[in-house]
Amino acid sequence: AQSVTQLDSQVPVFEEAPVELRCNYSSSVSVYLFWYVQYPNQGLQLLLKYLSGSTLVKGINGFEAEFNKSQTSFHLRKPSVHISDTAEYFCAVSRTSGAGSYQLTFGKGTKLSVIP
Amino acid sequence: EPEVTQTPSHQVTQMGQEVILRCVPISNHLYFYWYRQILGQKVEFLVSFYNNEISEKSEIFDDQFSVERPDGSNFTLKIRSTKLEDSAMYFCAGSGGVREKLFFGSGTQLSVL
Repeated sequence: AQSVTQLDSQVPVFEEAPVELRCNYSSSVSVYLFWYVQYPNQGLQLLLKYLSGSTLVKGINGFEAEFNKSQTSFHLRKPSVHISDTAEYFCAVSRTSGAGSYQLTFGKGTKLSVIP
Repeated sequence: EPEVTQTPSHQVTQMGQEVILRCVPISNHLYFYWYRQILGQKVEFLVSFYNNEISEKSEIFDDQFSVERPDGSNFTLKIRSTKLEDSAMYFCAGSGGVREKLFFGSGTQLSVL
């Protein structure tokens, strides 16, 4: 089975400052990695995903994440946040094949609050 | 961008009652999913549906749950006899392929009293 740990439940950061949201995963098999964002009263939107290739993945809204296999991490970063980035961010994994490959396993989420 | 539509946005029901949560996926999607999030907990996978049958389901998806896509458009989740612990936000999602971007609806908040 897979599990995802998001180490910070809440992250306050000042506008235009950089931010890193941490994600670690545990799995005995190969996984794909995802970051989703949820704005208030909306569904989850895909920010970025890592399937293969370059370990640095760029997503929408200026976010990027780096897959580190040795540390089993997939931290999300943005060099300069905006007020509009205030939302909850979810890290997720799925198996690359076999039973369970249709489903995402999510972390508990990190609430990013951008302070003006 | 196309949207997944879920109705109702809020549903309140009495314990033991049946509820049906409805979803209208994006028209060219082939894979459909239900997830739920109990307040303060993780988003959890319930079931995936492809080619008019369940492809995977979690331990949560017991005999009280069922899904169907009766008319080729609406995708429904039925809970036959609701329990207090079924209270959660239920998300529908769809994609054009297994590894393709999942589009989520904005959710139905189910409250079982």
